[in-house]
Amino acid sequence: DTGVSQDPRHKITKRGQNVTFRCDPISEHNRLYWYRQTLGQGPEFLTYFQNEAQLEKSRLLSDRFSAERPKGSFSTLEIQRTEQGDSAMYLCASSRRLNTGELFFGEGSRLTVL
Amino acid sequence: GENVEQHPSTLSVQEGDSAVIKCTYSDSASNYFPWYKQELGKRPQLIIDIRSNVGEKKDQRIAVTLNKTAKHFSLHITETQPEDSAVYFCAASKGNDYKLSFGAGTTVTVRA
Repeated sequence: DTGVSQDPRHKITKRGQNVTFRCDPISEHNRLYWYRQTLGQGPEFLTYFQNEAQLEKSRLLSDRFSAERPKGSFSTLEIQRTEQGDSAMYLCASSRRLNTGELFFGEGSRLTVL
Repeated sequence: GENVEQHPSTLSVQEGDSAVIKCTYSDSASNYFPWYKQELGKRPQLIIDIRSNVGEKKDQRIAVTLNKTAKHFSLHITETQPEDSAVYFCAASKGNDYKLSFGAGTTVTVRA
C-alpha cells in the first residue's frame, strides 16, 4: 500500500502521559497536514508542513501540542500531558508537489485518554 | 477564520432518488471548495471539487454548484446507490495552502 500511513492506529493512555503519533506521507508529496476529528464533526486543521518547514502552527490546540517533520519525509505529532479532551482521531494528509488541492488522508490514529 | 456550515446533518433517500447537501461559508476570499466522502471506519477521500472561477462541475452522478454571491455551494448525487451511503464533508480554503475548513458532515443513508 503506497498511501499515507499512520502509526499507531489506536492509542489508549492515562491522563497526564505523553503520546506521539507518526505519519508517513505518500513519497514525493511535499506537503503534510495534521487534522483532528472528533465524533460527529469534520476534520479540524491543526498544522501543516511544506517539506521540513512548518508553515503554520497557530491552530495547534495548545502549547501541549507540537509537530515535527525533520527531514521533510515522515512527521510526528506529540501531545504532552494528555487530557481527556484530547481524545479524538488524529488524521494526517499529504498532497502532491504540484498541488491540485487534493489531500490524501491516512486512516488516522485514534487516541483515548482515560 | 473560515466557518463552514453544512445541512442537513442526516439524509435518508430511496435508492435511485437524488440527494442534495448544502454548505455555506463565511470568508469571501475562499476560492476552493472540495467534497470528501468518508465511509465508516475509513479515511476521507476527495470525490469532487470546484474553484471560485467556476459555477458548476459534474462528474458522472455527482455535481457541485457554487454561488459566490450567496457564499454557498451544494453537492448533488443523482440515481443514488447503496454504495453512496457514507458521511459527506464539504470544505473551503483560500490561497494555495489548502488549509481546509470542514463542515460538520452529512450522514447519507441510501435505502434499498
